[in-house]
Amino acid sequence: QQQVKQSPQSLIVQKGGIPIINCAYENTAFDYFPWYQQFPGKGPALLIAIRPDVSEKKEGRFTISFNKSAKQFSLHIMDSQPGDSATYFCAASKGNYQLIWGAGTKLIIKP
Amino acid sequence: KAGVTQTPRYLIKTRGQQVTLSCSPISGHRSVSWYQQTPGQGLQFLFEYFSETQRNKGNFPGRFSGRQFSNSRSEMNVSTLELGDSALYLCASSPGTGWSGTEAFFGQGTRLTVV
Repeated sequence: QQQVKQSPQSLIVQKGGIPIINCAYENTAFDYFPWYQQFPGKGPALLIAIRPDVSEKKEGRFTISFNKSAKQFSLHIMDSQPGDSATYFCAASKGNYQLIWGAGTKLIIKP
Repeated sequence: KAGVTQTPRYLIKTRGQQVTLSCSPISGHRSVSWYQQTPGQGLQFLFEYFSETQRNKGNFPGRFSGRQFSNSRSEMNVSTLELGDSALYLCASSPGTGWSGTEAFFGQGTRLTVV
């Protein structure tokens, strides 16, 4: 019940395309859902986060879509650029409990 | 605001030795979490300290331990190092309370190589 399942494991998209990364969770008590971006040799950095009473949140070219009934949330990257090539992690948490992390998606944006 | 500082950045140790890694969180943050990251394994949670107390713990053997000081700085210790302990060790600083209390700000990590 504590797992967060992330897919796909890897993704290759042409520049300008819209990569979509999906995460599914079981624990309905989760109320905080962030996405992180990690470049090689760096620690992950927070991109955007959402709470379950909101169905969509946008920050720049990054959008989280949240489906509470399906217990799923996804990250969309609009007008993707080669500089977006990185590993993306979804996560979820409730209160003071630690973040539960997805396994990560390695995204490559081809020029 | 200064970010999360981890020292050292790189470390090479021999099997059987022990190692201590250090993390200075963002000022005002009371929670520090530690993660192990190996290629293809994602982020494996080690433990979290909040106000000098271990609040959450992952599934790692007792060779992995940590502590947090009154100024929120944290150290992680690994004893009797094994080759499989070679990894990037990441420290994350969080507010520790509130809706986004687990919002994690990561350091650059310490790359540990065990030979």
